[in-house]
Amino acid sequence: EDKVVQSPLSLVVHEGDTVTLNCSYEVTNFRSLLWYKQEKKAPTFLFMLTSSGIEKKSGRLSSILDKKELSSILNITATQTGDSAIYLCAVKTSYDKVIFGPGTSLSVIP
Amino acid sequence: DTGVSQDPRHKITKRGQNVTFRCDPISEHNRLYWYRQTLGQGPEFLTYFQNEAQLEKSRLLSDRFSAERPKGSFSTLEIQRTEQGDSAMYLCASSSIGGGANYEQYFGPGTRLTVT
Repeated sequence: EDKVVQSPLSLVVHEGDTVTLNCSYEVTNFRSLLWYKQEKKAPTFLFMLTSSGIEKKSGRLSSILDKKELSSILNITATQTGDSAIYLCAVKTSYDKVIFGPGTSLSVIP
Repeated sequence: DTGVSQDPRHKITKRGQNVTFRCDPISEHNRLYWYRQTLGQGPEFLTYFQNEAQLEKSRLLSDRFSAERPKGSFSTLEIQRTEQGDSAMYLCASSSIGGGANYEQYFGPGTRLTVT
């Protein structure tokens, strides 16, 4: 059965810290890996990764995919309280089915 | 607003009652997805459609759940004989079939179901 695992499940850091969130997957017919941010509402899209070793960046957030290790990381540098959210990793398989991981709950304290 | 909309936003029902939720996707999107999300968990895949065709239904979904997308536009998700374990946020998302893997899903605001 297709599976997406994230670690840690929760994390508390101080403003200014750098965090690394992990995602690993076991799926058949991998097509792409997605990262979402979820605050107290529906998930919002961050990144889509399809190729190994190519870093995607958006401001203080960056992500990279390792298809050999079946994993991805999401880095957030110089964290701010507004980064507090659940970060969801998802994998798109054949026929565009999307499987989500359990999420990492990040709390950034002043 | 041309985003994904869901109705109702909140539903409180008594155990054993039937409920129906509606999702209106972004108009040009031909893929529509339903997910269920409980507190502390990521969205759990329920089913998805390409136009009016239901492509896959989760094996975790009991036969009390049914979804339709009769004209390839809006979709409904019905839960019959609701149980307390059905209490969750039901999320709808839509996307278009892009070239290769490069598209994103747009989520609606969700319908929060509480079964008492």
